[in-house]
Amino acid sequence: QQQVKQSPQSLIVQKGGISIINCAYENTAFDYFPWYQQFPGKGPALLIAIRPDVSEKKEGRFTISFNKSAKQFSLHIMDSQPGDSATYFCAARGRTYKYIFGTGTRLKVLA
Amino acid sequence: NAGVTQTPKFQVLKTGQSMTLQCAQDMNHEYMSWYRQDPGMGLRLIHYSVGAGITDQGEVPNGYNVSRSTTEDFPLRLLSAAPSQTSVYFCASRRLAGEPGNEQFFGPGTRLTVL
Repeated sequence: QQQVKQSPQSLIVQKGGISIINCAYENTAFDYFPWYQQFPGKGPALLIAIRPDVSEKKEGRFTISFNKSAKQFSLHIMDSQPGDSATYFCAARGRTYKYIFGTGTRLKVLA
Repeated sequence: NAGVTQTPKFQVLKTGQSMTLQCAQDMNHEYMSWYRQDPGMGLRLIHYSVGAGITDQGEVPNGYNVSRSTTEDFPLRLLSAAPSQTSVYFCASRRLAGEPGNEQFFGPGTRLTVL
C-alpha cells in the first residue's frame, strides 16, 4: 500500500524531444505528489508538485499530469535539453509526514 | 543562509565501528529527516523528526539512532556499522506550518562505505 512504482528506469531522448516518466501509487490517502531532480553528486531538488484536486500542472517546460481514478501521475519534459540530463524521482506523501519515493529514472538527453 | 548542511562528505568505516553523520539547517524548519539512497531503490526514509525532542522511525530504521535536541541539528548515529549500510545518506528539512505543499530541501549528501 505504501509503494510508488516508477518507470522507466532509464530514458534516452533527442534534444528537442519530449521526455515522459510515469509513476503509480496504491495508497489513496496520499495527497501531495512532488517530482525531484537530482544531478550527480548533489542532493535531490524539488522540480514541480501537484495535489490530487487538479489534473495537470505546468511550470515552464515541465508538466505533471495526474489521473486520480487510475492512481497514476506522470512528468512530461517538453523540448528536452542536454541540461535536463539527470535522475528524476517521483514521490507521494499523505498526512503522516513521510515521503515515499519511486526508484528513479535516469534521463539522458542527446545533443 | 546555508540551507541544509551535512558533514562529512565522504567516510570509510570498518565493520563494527560507530560514527555520527551530522546535519544542520538554518531555515528554522520543524521537520527534519534522514534518507539513504541505494542504486535502483530510490530514497528510503530512515528516521524523521517534527520538532525538538520528537523523533520517529521511517521505512529502514534498524542500525540507526537519531536525536533532536535543537531545531537546527539532527545527527544520525550508526551504532555498529555493517557493509549493508554502505550508501549515500541525505538529510532533508521542511517547514510544517502551511502544509501540505511546503518544499523539502535536501543536503548535499554523505557517501559512506563500510568495509
